[in-house]
Amino acid sequence: IAGITQAPTSQILAAGRRMTLRCTQDMRHNAMYWYRQDLGLGLRLIHYSNTAGTTGKGEVPDGYSVSRANTDDFPLTLASAVPSQTSVYFCASGTGGLEQFFGPGTRLTVL
Amino acid sequence: KQEVTQIPAALSVPEGENLVLNCSFTDSAIYNLQWFRQDPGKGLTSLLLIQSSQREQTSGRLNASLDKSSGRSTLYIAASQPGDSATYLCAVLRGGAQKLVFGQGTRLTINP
Repeated sequence: IAGITQAPTSQILAAGRRMTLRCTQDMRHNAMYWYRQDLGLGLRLIHYSNTAGTTGKGEVPDGYSVSRANTDDFPLTLASAVPSQTSVYFCASGTGGLEQFFGPGTRLTVL
Repeated sequence: KQEVTQIPAALSVPEGENLVLNCSFTDSAIYNLQWFRQDPGKGLTSLLLIQSSQREQTSGRLNASLDKSSGRSTLYIAASQPGDSATYLCAVLRGGAQKLVFGQGTRLTINP
């Protein structure tokens, strides 16, 4: 693994289903983030974690949950997907206010 | 609330030209500013990071400047090439928050 990996690359999901997007980093960064990118709205922060064991809400947290059991993994869960959650999701990591690095993204379509 | 604006939204220039992309932010209390590149359907690639105490950073043909007091940053691209075609995003990190606030991006097209 080099940098940040995300899985799946893309997914089509029926509304009401539960879905977990996976994110793993191998840079030992303390902080990790989830963003969604939508046309016309840009990138918006969903949830973040400053260190393992802690999480916080970003700009658009409703309908999403996260956990941070260890330094490397930061999964994002949609408990009951809705069409408005159709988006491209990016995971990122960073250290203490320094440079942030982004994963390749997950393209999610909720029908 | 921090707001980040990038002008222009789109720019098309012939190959070989030098060009400047602009980024402005409303709250000067930033920790750093980061420029990214995004190719269609891909993730974000970090280009340059400028700490709040710095005035500029350079990497190859790229030079980014920061004027915190006026809330502005510019990304200068020298001798543009078709491979530079992409969307360029700037983002500011608010002090103590570790949360990036992004601009909407400038879509750059370099014509051969």
